Amino acid sequence: AQSVTQLDSQVPVFEEAPVELRCNYSSSVSVYLFWYVQYPNQGLQLLLKYLSGSTLVESINGFEAEFNKSQTSFHLRKPSVHISDTAEYFCAVTYTGGFKTIFGAGTRLFVKA
Amino acid sequence: DGGITQSPKYLFRKEGQNVTLSCEQNLNHDAMYWYRQDPGQGLRLIYYSQIVNDFQKGDIAEGYSVSREKKESFPLTVTSAQKNPTAFYLCASSIAGDNYGYTFGSGTRLTVV
Repeated sequence: AQSVTQLDSQVPVFEEAPVELRCNYSSSVSVYLFWYVQYPNQGLQLLLKYLSGSTLVESINGFEAEFNKSQTSFHLRKPSVHISDTAEYFCAVTYTGGFKTIFGAGTRLFVKA
Repeated sequence: DGGITQSPKYLFRKEGQNVTLSCEQNLNHDAMYWYRQDPGQGLRLIYYSQIVNDFQKGDIAEGYSVSREKKESFPLTVTSAQKNPTAFYLCASSIAGDNYGYTFGSGTRLTVV
């Protein structure tokens, strides 16, 4: 069955430290990959996506994610986090031609001063 | 501004009562979705619709019903058959196709009293 695994349910980190949120998916067939961010009591917002081409994709607020086909991973990174990055982050996968998007269980990032 | 509007933000349901959650979009998106979010479980798909007057069951459709009479609207009814309805409900929409990502509403928190 197709699945998305976010390996950490919670990640505490100090402000200005680097962070990596891990995401693996179940199949190496052609996929589109997404990261979404959710602030408390709000809907999800699209952070970045990989469709094709360069395996490294970036968002406007300093996050980046790298598609690794051989490891079926799409980890999210930021070199220096801010308090305002505290939120829950969801990895999502759409298998091409499959229409449905599958979401991971989420990783709660908590940035401490 | 274009977007998705969910209402109400908070909803309380008595035992045995049906309630309807509203979802309206002005993005001219063809596809619309309903997800249920529970702590630690990520997002689970309830129903989705790719075109007007057509919709499909998702992974947890039991106890829920939907309609898609207009492109802009995709209301969700939580029926009395849904035994554990307390959750955060998210509506989303997308351009038809599998690589555009979703736009989410701000959610409705339903509580059984």
